[in-house]
Amino acid sequence: KQEVTQIPAALSVPEGENLVLNCSFTDSAIYNLQWFRQDPGKGLTSLLLIQSSQREQTSGRLNASLDKSSGRSTLYIAASQPGDSATYLCAVMDSSYKLIFGSGTRLLVRP
Amino acid sequence: DVKVTQSSRYLVKRTGEKVFLECVQDMDHENMFWYRQDPGLGLRLIYFSYDVKMKEKGDIPEGYSVSREKKERFSLILESASTNQTSMYLCASSLPLAGGSGNEQFFGPGTRLTVL
Repeated sequence: KQEVTQIPAALSVPEGENLVLNCSFTDSAIYNLQWFRQDPGKGLTSLLLIQSSQREQTSGRLNASLDKSSGRSTLYIAASQPGDSATYLCAVMDSSYKLIFGSGTRLLVRP
Repeated sequence: DVKVTQSSRYLVKRTGEKVFLECVQDMDHENMFWYRQDPGLGLRLIYFSYDVKMKEKGDIPEGYSVSREKKERFSLILESASTNQTSMYLCASSLPLAGGSGNEQFFGPGTRLTVL
């Protein structure tokens, strides 16, 4: 059964710092991996989607990498801002086409 | 931009009531999903649909049913609401796996349901 783990569970950094969020999954048979952002009490906003054949995707200050063979993905946020404070979720699409979510990393960027 | 809307942001219902949660998407997506999100349990899939009038059970379908009469609308029904169904409910939509967006899921704003 696919399991997705995100480390750390919470992170607090000063504004301007570059940071890395980690996601690992137990079964490498995935179709894609998606990173989301969730603000308190709100829905999920899709940030980046990486197909299983891809190694990375970039959008603005965000860069996501995928190493399918080792079951790992990282989300790199450059020059963090207080507006980046949110919970970040990763999810993998498994062989049954379902999204399996991690429990998230709560990020606080201090001014 | 893809837009997924949900009928209510907050809802309070009584135990035993029949509850309808509505979700509408405007991007002609074939796939639609209902999740619930609970602290410590994360997001769990309740039901999904790959086409009009189609439905498939997710991981926790007990106590729920769904309806998809039109492509853009996917309804979640709580036949007889119970207190353990108090949760945040999230709807999502996507193109099929072979679609141009690679099956990226887009979420609505969520409905916070409280059952008293």
